[in-house]
Amino acid sequence: KAGVTQTPRYLIKTRGQQVTLSCSPISGHRSVSWYQQTPGQGLQFLFEYFSETQRNKGNFPGRFSGRQFSNSRSEMNVSTLELGDSALYLCASSLTWRATYEQYFGPGTRLTVT
Amino acid sequence: AQSVTQPDIHITVSEGASLELRCNYSYGATPYLFWYVQSPGQGLQLLLKYFSGDTLVQGIKGFEAEFKRSQSSFNLRKPSVHWSDAAEYFCAVGADTNAGKSTFGDGTTLTVKP
Repeated sequence: KAGVTQTPRYLIKTRGQQVTLSCSPISGHRSVSWYQQTPGQGLQFLFEYFSETQRNKGNFPGRFSGRQFSNSRSEMNVSTLELGDSALYLCASSLTWRATYEQYFGPGTRLTVT
Repeated sequence: AQSVTQPDIHITVSEGASLELRCNYSYGATPYLFWYVQSPGQGLQLLLKYFSGDTLVQGIKGFEAEFKRSQSSFNLRKPSVHWSDAAEYFCAVGADTNAGKSTFGDGTTLTVKP
């Protein structure tokens, strides 16, 4: 079974631009969560989608948004990029939204904002 | 809200020595507890998990962890460390709440000396 894939793997953007990251979950998984990982803040929860609905959202500004499609693939968008948005963005998929179901992580997208 | 503390930012052990990584959690009910490992440039991989039952859980790669409710701890152990175990380790507590599926600790970086 193929794992979680994230595209692109690396991205360099300029302040003020916007960016879209993509995540394809494991086949059959309907829950997708996004995390931001930085050396200073660690792993922080961005949002979770299940069956095309946002279930949970972390404490991030409205510049961060996401969506999930009917095939469970998910995208996250960051508008008006700031230098502090430079991070590794991780996507995790799970069969369902319950915390007892294991999350499988993708390799991440490394975003650099200059 | 749940929270996780990993008191040790960095640990160095010699190859073949035993390892214990500490994790303390805060959560009002019975927690779901996880340990993940992250190699450089990679996503997170689940090592083991605890939901209920036997407080000593076995995981992959020879790791085990013990849940101690009285100490609010879930420490990760390995009897003999291999050079390939060098990585960053994250403890996480899960709950079916609006805070998202899992809250992660700040991680412990393990260095293995030859």
